[in-house]
Amino acid sequence: SAVISQKPSRDICQRGTSLTIQCQVDSQVTMMFWYRQQPGQSLTLIATANQGSEATYESGFVIDKFPISRPNLTFSTLTVSNMSPEDSSIYLCSAGPGGAEAFFGQGTRLTVV
Amino acid sequence: AQSVTQLGSHVSVSEGALVLLRCNYSSSVPPYLFWYVQYPNQGLQLLLKYTSAATLVKGINGFEAEFKKSETSFHLTKPSAHMSDAAEYFCAVSHGSGNTGKLIFGQGTTLQVKP
Repeated sequence: SAVISQKPSRDICQRGTSLTIQCQVDSQVTMMFWYRQQPGQSLTLIATANQGSEATYESGFVIDKFPISRPNLTFSTLTVSNMSPEDSSIYLCSAGPGGAEAFFGQGTRLTVV
Repeated sequence: AQSVTQLGSHVSVSEGALVLLRCNYSSSVPPYLFWYVQYPNQGLQLLLKYTSAATLVKGINGFEAEFKKSETSFHLTKPSAHMSDAAEYFCAVSHGSGNTGKLIFGQGTTLQVKP
């Protein structure tokens, strides 16, 4: 298994600003993932963060809006840029340490006002 | 391409009654399947997983699920509901044929347990 820590756990931000979310894993993992969970909805994959290469984004998500860093095998950040109220969601980081399943952080609850 | 459909966005049972949450999948490759639970204001916790071994999978908190290839189903059950089981439940399938941890989720089912 893996223990994943995310911070901040929640934040209230002004529209037009940016927020960077940090994700730390307690073991080295090849891939890390970022998901968005809009209010009352399921999880939608934003991107896959690979160490040493650019993140791979899913359809509907772009790097300019959601830049991702992956400086080493235990850490990643997701930035939500130029925020609008529509970005209010829970953002979750996950990692698969090789056993097919993914482990999740507690999530970052973002409210944009 | 893989996809997951959870039948019933909201399920209500009485305490002590059987819990049945339905999940059907579509996959072009042998799937890895998962059930996760999300308690209010928390992240996702893995309940159980199917990765091509035994078709009846036992998980935590008394939950189990049966993989039925002929029905493309992976329904979650628990013989006797407890109040603490009230939560959101997500069925998920591995994206692609790898074991990377990249998942596709169903829409979720809210389980309500009545006293």
